[in-house]
Amino acid sequence: DIQMTQSPSSLSASVGDRVTITCRASQSISTFLNWYQQKPGKAPKLLIYGTFSLQSGVPSRFSGSGSGTDFTLTISSLQPEDFATYYCQQSYSTPPTFGQGTKVEIK
Amino acid sequence: QVQLVQSGAEVKKPGASVKVSCKASGYTFTSYGLGWVRQAPGQGLQWMGWINAYNNNTNSAQKLQGRVTMTTDTSASTAYMELRSLRSDDTAVYYCARRLRRGLFDYWGQGTLVAVSS
Repeated sequence: DIQMTQSPSSLSASVGDRVTITCRASQSISTFLNWYQQKPGKAPKLLIYGTFSLQSGVPSRFSGSGSGTDFTLTISSLQPEDFATYYCQQSYSTPPTFGQGTKVEIK
Repeated sequence: QVQLVQSGAEVKKPGASVKVSCKASGYTFTSYGLGWVRQAPGQGLQWMGWINAYNNNTNSAQKLQGRVTMTTDTSASTAYMELRSLRSDDTAVYYCARRLRRGLFDYWGQGTLVAVSS
């Protein structure tokens, strides 16, 4: 199975900050990397797929980059509704695997 | 709009079985697969398996093989996930999710809490 490792596990940031979350795969996954946002008590929500593509309705302050084994989710200007846990997930091979999550908290 | 509505919370004893349903609406049911993902309390997301709603082909996580069965009722646009021989570490929120392609899930159900306790 491909292991996905996110860093940091948590971070504190203020509204308006630029936030970057990193995800590393244990082997190359090309650009088959997706990002999900999960708020407490809610289901995950697809934000970005295929490393770069924004899911319909997702604000443009979210962006993704990377290829191979190293990927990044960037929030250009953190908004109050962005405080949540973010998961990366590889869809390169079966089983699909998720990172352990990054919790974004209010500073 | 695409919606996946899951059945309600369940409390089960160790050794019992649970069957969770996932009713789809807003799209052609047989055009997409349905995946199942679970999340233990305070933990991350774990893929359990998926089913092709067109031909009922399934693929499940190796550690669950033999205990999990995924089925569909196309007439009701509903998918089911049955987990047998429940253990305490099966306590989790179980999600269904529409499989867009490969392992990409674009719409998720609201989740079903399954608690396993004696």
